[in-house]
Amino acid sequence: EAQVTQNPRYLITVTGKKLTVTCSQNMNHEYMSWYRQDPGLGLRQIYYSMNVEVTDKGDVPEGYKVSRKEKRNFPLILESPSPNQTSLYFCASSLMSLPLWEQYFGPGTRLTVT
Amino acid sequence: ELKVEQNPLFLSMQEGKNYTIYCNYSTTSDRLYWYRQDPGKSLESLFVLLSNGAVKQEGRLMASLDTKARLSTLHITAAVHDLSATYFCAVSRDSNYQLIWGAGTKLIIKP
Repeated sequence: EAQVTQNPRYLITVTGKKLTVTCSQNMNHEYMSWYRQDPGLGLRQIYYSMNVEVTDKGDVPEGYKVSRKEKRNFPLILESPSPNQTSLYFCASSLMSLPLWEQYFGPGTRLTVT
Repeated sequence: ELKVEQNPLFLSMQEGKNYTIYCNYSTTSDRLYWYRQDPGKSLESLFVLLSNGAVKQEGRLMASLDTKARLSTLHITAAVHDLSATYFCAVSRDSNYQLIWGAGTKLIIKP
């Protein structure tokens, strides 16, 4: 089954404790992206990657890191989480082929930082 | 700077009625997307609109795009309770693999 998976699905942590949210896709997609969703703000892009070892900042990259060492995986790293990073996080992937370029989303990770 | 505005942000309606959600964007774009999100769930792609005058329909939902007005509409015909969800539009920057999202329209359809 074609899918994007994220782990963990729920996480409660404390300020300053490093954490990693994993994202994996089995569709051989070149493009992967992380978004955060906050009430009333829609989705905002954190980082994206157009291929292995190619990453770039989205609209809200502060406080986050990513890496793309393998095509299928795109982990999101919070080196020192803060309460303002409490949010719902989505990973997405897609082929790079235009003009359609349709993204497929993972199930989401709800993060609470206390 | 590309901005996307949706109206209304919240809509409560009765089954059987028709209504339209509007999505305005501020600069030229290559494509416009509509997504649906059920409470506590992920996002599901509904439509991708690529050109001026494009119209896509699935069931009771119909989306259209007017690139000159920088406006897309999502029309709901004879609403049913199962269409209750939050609907997002998103716009892609020209020649750029980024999506800018509207804030979403939370639609509640009462039986």
